[in-house]
Amino acid sequence: SAVISQKPSRDICQRGTSLTIQCQVDSQVTMMFWYRQQPGQSLTLIATANQGSEATYESGFVIDKFPISRPNLTFSTLTVSNMSPEDSSIYLCSVRDQGQPQHFGDGTRLSIL
Amino acid sequence: QKEVEQDPGPLSVPEGAIVSLNCTYSNSAFQYFMWYRQYSRKGPELLMYTYSSGNKEDGRFTAQVDKSSKYISLFIRDSQPSDSATYLCAMGSGGYQKVTFGTGTKLQVIP
Repeated sequence: SAVISQKPSRDICQRGTSLTIQCQVDSQVTMMFWYRQQPGQSLTLIATANQGSEATYESGFVIDKFPISRPNLTFSTLTVSNMSPEDSSIYLCSVRDQGQPQHFGDGTRLSIL
Repeated sequence: QKEVEQDPGPLSVPEGAIVSLNCTYSNSAFQYFMWYRQYSRKGPELLMYTYSSGNKEDGRFTAQVDKSSKYISLFIRDSQPSDSATYLCAMGSGGYQKVTFGTGTKLQVIP
């Protein structure tokens, strides 16, 4: 399966600032996704990152808060904008190829002070 | 009612025990089923996936799906301390694109 690298692995940020998380895959993949994982809750899909076009956001998530880029088939970024303590969470990148289940990176652990 | 229900545990078992982890679901459209293992400070790692009802075995792990009861299980034989992790069930329809996850069951295997 693809090797997925996420940067940074963790960060502590001040409220009102923004952080960009990078996801790099070692091979071209069809689909890339961004999830949020909060304690005691299931993984929540934020959006599907589409190569060369705007991401597809799930209900409750908007582009102004979580802008996403996917310039090619191996790389995507998620920005968490104007952060508040409620944004403290683990953010996970996942990838999927044709007919295969999703595989995940190790996540970015984000704390907002 | 959540689409996928999973007991959060924690579940503590002695080394060598058989572990049974379970999920129930309500959406009849789910066609494929997965189990992920997540170690502390790591991302979910795909353990097993299956399309059909019945059993699928891989080493010490057996995934069982009962579509008529909307119930899936993961059995771990001869459990080891290295099996201590959170286990997430996941299921979906329509080609793996839209996947619904359980909340995860935390397992601790005690030496």
